[in-house]
Amino acid sequence: DVKVTQSSRYLVKRTGEKVFLECVQDMDHENMFWYRQDPGLGLRLIYFSYDVKMKEKGDIPEGYSVSREKKERFSLILESASTNQTSMYLCASSLGQGVKGYTFGSGTRLTVV
Amino acid sequence: SQQGEEDPQALSIQEGENATMNCSYKTSINNLQWYRQNSGRGLVHLILIRSNEREKHSGRLRVTLDTSKKSSSLLITASRAADTASYFCATDLYNTDKLIFGTGTRLQVFP
Repeated sequence: DVKVTQSSRYLVKRTGEKVFLECVQDMDHENMFWYRQDPGLGLRLIYFSYDVKMKEKGDIPEGYSVSREKKERFSLILESASTNQTSMYLCASSLGQGVKGYTFGSGTRLTVV
Repeated sequence: SQQGEEDPQALSIQEGENATMNCSYKTSINNLQWYRQNSGRGLVHLILIRSNEREKHSGRLRVTLDTSKKSSSLLITASRAADTASYFCATDLYNTDKLIFGTGTRLQVFP
C-alpha cells in the first residue's frame, strides 16, 4: 500500500527551538506539499515542491522553510518556533498533472509551549 | 486564500439517510476533488471530477460539478456511522497542481 509517512504524530517543543518535521513518500511522486490545519481556517498551504531541490512558497510561508534533497523526502523547518505555530501539520504528495488526488500523511500535531 | 467554501458547516443525520454537501469556489479550475478526514487524522482522497465533467460516481458517492455556477455537491447515499468525518472540497489553481481547500463540512451519522 502506498504511503506518506510523517515522522511524529505528536510533538511538543519550546518557544525559540528549531523544529524539523519529516515527511517521506514511497510512491515516486514528483510533487510534495506541506499544509497546516487550524480550526475554522481549514488547510493552508505553507510550501510545496515540484522536484528535488525545488521549492515554492505557498500562502503562509513566514516562519517556515523546507528542504528537499531527495525525491522521497520533504522536510518542513520551523526556524524559531513560536506559540502561534501550534497546529496540525499535514504532508501530502501527488503524481501531478491532476491525474489523481493527493496522498496525505497522518499528520503531526505540534504544540509549542 | 480560501478558494472553496463548503456548506453546511455541520450536518447530522441518521444511518440510512442521504447526506449532501455543497462547495463553492471562485476561479477557473482544471478539476475539483473531495476528501474525507477522520478526527485527528490525515485526509483521504475520495473522488476527482474534471472541469469538463458534470457528474461522477464512486460506490455510494455521487459528485456533481457546475462550472457556470462555480459549485459542486457531494452526495453520500445510505449513510453509515462509519461515514462520520469531515469532508473537504479542493480546487486546483488553473494549470497548477496546487490544491486550495475549503473549511470543510463536519458530518455526524447516528446509528
